[in-house]
Amino acid sequence: AQTVTQSQPEMSVQEAETVTLSCTYDTSESDYYLFWYKQPPSRQMILVIRQEAYKQQNATENRFSVNFQKAAKSFSLKISDSQLGDAAMYFCAYRSAPGNQFYFGTGTSLTVIP
Amino acid sequence: GAVVSQHPSWVICKSGTSVKIECRSLDFQATTMFWYRQFPKQSLMLMATSNEGSKATYEQGVEKDKFLINHASLTLSTLTVTSAHPEDSSFYICSARDLQANYGYTFGSGTRLTVV
Repeated sequence: AQTVTQSQPEMSVQEAETVTLSCTYDTSESDYYLFWYKQPPSRQMILVIRQEAYKQQNATENRFSVNFQKAAKSFSLKISDSQLGDAAMYFCAYRSAPGNQFYFGTGTSLTVIP
Repeated sequence: GAVVSQHPSWVICKSGTSVKIECRSLDFQATTMFWYRQFPKQSLMLMATSNEGSKATYEQGVEKDKFLINHASLTLSTLTVTSAHPEDSSFYICSARDLQANYGYTFGSGTRLTVV
């Protein structure tokens, strides 16, 4: 089974600064999707960004961008110009291209310091 | 965008009773829905995959007789926790797949179950 590892249980960042959250995964598949989800205190899972494994270009969504290193099986999330509303639990997730099941990492709790 | 409504958002029940949680896709048809369980400060663990009109597929270690899943229509899946015990207390989240969307997985807002 695929595994997703987030080695940073907690991170903090000053408001307006940049922070990078790490994620590594293990798979033998060549085609898959990677995601970052945000879970604020409301517990609603919110999609932040996704990356298709066949695309070499790193995905970006406004202040959020990823560094996807397929050979290294690494998928980090960079948050630029951090805002107070970015404070949440962030989960990295993997899904096979033909499959439905998500595999989630253990999460990184991000604190934004005013 | 696609919206998944989950109800109730929180529920408290007595040991031995059953609780039903509903997951509805509001503006799309979901042939497949997923049920996750999340313990405090932990990740989401897939419990089962439900397909409209057929039996749910349960993950290893999940008691199918305890966690009954019904997916009777393209917009509704229900999870019933039968004979609930305090160890069933957890946060339950559903997710639905929108076939019309390119990516198409939307999560509900979750249900916090407390068994006393």
